[in-house]
Amino acid sequence: SQTIHQWPATLVQPVGSPLSLECTVEGTSNPNLYWYRQAAGRGLQLLFYSVGIGQISSEVPQNLSASRPQDRQFILSSKKLLLSDSGFYLCAWRIGGGKYGYTFGSGTRLTVV
Amino acid sequence: AQSVAQPEDQVNVAEGNPLTVKCTYSVSGNPYLFWYVQYPNRGLQFLLKYITGDNLVKGSYGFEAEFNKSQTSFHLKKPSALVSDSALYFCAVRDSGVRSARQLTFGSGTQLTVLP
Repeated sequence: SQTIHQWPATLVQPVGSPLSLECTVEGTSNPNLYWYRQAAGRGLQLLFYSVGIGQISSEVPQNLSASRPQDRQFILSSKKLLLSDSGFYLCAWRIGGGKYGYTFGSGTRLTVV
Repeated sequence: AQSVAQPEDQVNVAEGNPLTVKCTYSVSGNPYLFWYVQYPNRGLQFLLKYITGDNLVKGSYGFEAEFNKSQTSFHLKKPSALVSDSALYFCAVRDSGVRSARQLTFGSGTQLTVLP
């Protein structure tokens, strides 16, 4: 069966420190992968999506970047965190075909102090 | 462009009463519609979807949703609410005629609180 893993679950980082959040998917091939940020427990903001290895689309200019070094691995990074980067980060994947929704990871709560 | 609206930020209902969480959408073609639920500090969980066929869709945990094309709505319903249904609910839409990896558009979420 397909599963998605996201870690860490919580993270507290000082301002100016680097960030690396990892998301991996098992049991599927060539998924579309997505990074969302959720602020204040409400709406979802799409940050990045990827349709294949090395292919990244950015939705919002910001202090973050994403990479897809392997088919089932999606990484969210920052060189220097800002206070405004705090939030709940969600990874999601979708197999091909428009009839399928997304499957979400369990999320990472990032607090920048 | 596709869009989805959840007009209520907050819905409160007494346990045992029926609940409705509203969703309206806008697409140029035929919609694919989804409902997700999110518990605190967790990822979104899939509840149900409408692709085609019967307008009444049944999903997990006793939830159902009714697709109404003329009103462009896809309201989430449950006949008898439980305290454990308290969570954040998201509606999402995709235009079936658009091929795009960006795909789903999510609503802003509705916080459902079921009062004991």
